[in-house]
Amino acid sequence: ETGVTQTPRHLVMGMTNKKSLKCEQHLGHNAMYWYKQSAKKPLELMFVYSLEERVENNSVPSRFSPECPNSSHLFLHLHTLQPEDSALYLCASSQDPGEWGETQYFGPGTRLLVL
Amino acid sequence: GNSVTQMEGPVTLSEEAFLTINCTYTATGYPSLFWYVQYPGEGLQLLLKATKADDKGSNKGFEATYRKETTSFHLEKGSVQVSDSAVYFCALSDNDYKLSFGAGTTVTVRA
Repeated sequence: ETGVTQTPRHLVMGMTNKKSLKCEQHLGHNAMYWYKQSAKKPLELMFVYSLEERVENNSVPSRFSPECPNSSHLFLHLHTLQPEDSALYLCASSQDPGEWGETQYFGPGTRLLVL
Repeated sequence: GNSVTQMEGPVTLSEEAFLTINCTYTATGYPSLFWYVQYPGEGLQLLLKATKADDKGSNKGFEATYRKETTSFHLEKGSVQVSDSAVYFCALSDNDYKLSFGAGTTVTVRA
């Protein structure tokens, strides 16, 4: 595997379910990110981890809970979601957060539908 | 705060036509500027970037020049192909890890 991978690619869940999204980066990067992409809205940064420490929590509701057990893996735990949480969730990684002109590398995303 | 404004789509073109997608930005410092592309069913891929004024980023026939005087980073391609059909995002980072994205422009190229 190369780059940034995400599983599952598609997820349908009810509002009372608990599920987790997984992201893995094979690039040796030190930072990982979760973004939400909703229709007709700019990408929203949700969480940032640098060297496994959370450095950004962008006013995200507590029904989204991130976990970064090591620099290669990032999870997003979901519970009691709302239909408006349906979106494409993108994971990204970068070498050194805050480095000038840093490029973020994105995974293919998980398409989430909350019923 | 930082923000990016890009032209609204959708944009529909014929093959071999010239493509321009306008992007302007507002930033407090001296940002780095990016164009990302999202093909159907995929995540975002970096298309090109520029880190200082007058730099030109280029890749796959696409070009964009960092214009500080007009705070712009317009994307151009001289002859598009059907495979260029995608959503294009302009973005900036202002010397930190935060990327501010535009709303995206959907481009469809017809054979």
